[in-house]
Amino acid sequence: GENVEQHPSTLSVQEGDSAVIKCTYSDSASNYFPWYKQELGKRPQLIIDIRSNVGEKKDQRIAVTLNKTAKHFSLHITETQPEDSAVYFCAASGSGNTGKLIFGQGTTLQVKP
Amino acid sequence: NAGVTQTPKFQVLKTGQSMTLQCAQDMNHNSMYWYRQDPGMGLRLIYYSASEGTTDKGEVPNGYNVSRLNKREFSLRLESAAPSQTSVYFCASVWDYRGYEQYFGPGTRLTVT
Repeated sequence: GENVEQHPSTLSVQEGDSAVIKCTYSDSASNYFPWYKQELGKRPQLIIDIRSNVGEKKDQRIAVTLNKTAKHFSLHITETQPEDSAVYFCAASGSGNTGKLIFGQGTTLQVKP
Repeated sequence: NAGVTQTPKFQVLKTGQSMTLQCAQDMNHNSMYWYRQDPGMGLRLIYYSASEGTTDKGEVPNGYNVSRLNKREFSLRLESAAPSQTSVYFCASVWDYRGYEQYFGPGTRLTVT
């Protein structure tokens, strides 16, 4: 079935360092790949997304890369700040014209001051 | 513009009781989704409604039913609650199924004893 694997499950970095979270997906028909940030007790919120016709997208300190051949995409956060501490989820669009998203298991990012 | 709203915020049920979780959106979105979030398992799709008048099962539909009451409202019903349904439930909506940002509600924290 449809599956998204996300690694690592936890990540601890020093403030100012970079953080990288990686995801792989199983459905070659997936064409939309969003990343969500969830702070403790809050709802998930979209931080960046990418479509299958694009290899890389940047938004200030955040970037996402996509390798369709390998069915692999990654989130890169540069110059991390304590407020980046949260749980990050990757997702891939599911099969059919449904708008379904298949989510990874999440990565807890801790940025130490 | 309230976005996606959910009621109630918290609920405690006894095993075997029933309840309905309510979700409404005021963004004129076509597609709506119900997820459950459990520690270490990401967000798993329970049911979705790609358009008004249609509903379909997601990854974990057993023990749940849904109703797309109109374009704005999508409810989730637990007919006979079980401890395994203890979770945080999120409703989400998206303008179109072809891959756009899903907006999440604030969540309902449900405990079944």
